[in-house]
Amino acid sequence: DAMVIQNPRYQVTQFGKPVTLSCSQTLNHNVMYWYQQKSSQAPKLLFHYYDKDFNNEADTPDNFQSRRPNTSFCFLDIRSPGLGDAAMYLCATRTLTSGVGETQYFGPGTRLLVL
Amino acid sequence: AQKITQTQPGMFVQEKEAVTLDCTYDTSDQSYGLFWYKQPSSGEMIFLIYQGSYDEQNATEGRYSLNFQKARKSANLVISASQLGDSAMYFCAMRERETDKLIFGTGTRLQVFP
Repeated sequence: DAMVIQNPRYQVTQFGKPVTLSCSQTLNHNVMYWYQQKSSQAPKLLFHYYDKDFNNEADTPDNFQSRRPNTSFCFLDIRSPGLGDAAMYLCATRTLTSGVGETQYFGPGTRLLVL
Repeated sequence: AQKITQTQPGMFVQEKEAVTLDCTYDTSDQSYGLFWYKQPSSGEMIFLIYQGSYDEQNATEGRYSLNFQKARKSANLVISASQLGDSAMYFCAMRERETDKLIFGTGTRLQVFP
């Protein structure tokens, strides 16, 4: 059973046309993450939520926004996609504990293509 | 600042042989966790194995084991009895207690041939 679901798996958008990627989870985890992964590169953390507490990485472009309306869902909005935003976008979740050992559970990713 | 280094962009191994994927890390935090993930061409990140900085025993999960050498700051992944389905990208990652962020290395692409 899928635990972290991302829709759609493939998304094609036009240069400058806003696009929204979605992530849902059935794990009831309180931490959710969005990563951007370009071809042959490591995933790069864009932002994350501790419950509703939003944390933006310093180098995440303003073009990227996120919403988390409830525990289960999280959205990534790209306001004006550029060609350089074509990438795989990975959503991940984790339960927050006092230790460092809890793994993050990843969704299958959404491949974004910008034309 | 935390850093993960994977120096092998690509590795080849014959089916049924063992292979070691290298990972070194840098951190000033005493409490940290090390993770290995597998990423097939489909894109999903699959958790393989975890080692905590205070764990004295090397972690093992089935055919996967983690060769943890704390003084050398290395956390190499050993895959025994390689299978064709092991062909994928492998990422080493670390989370520090202080930052609570999972940072990835650049990955190693493993190709298993018959």
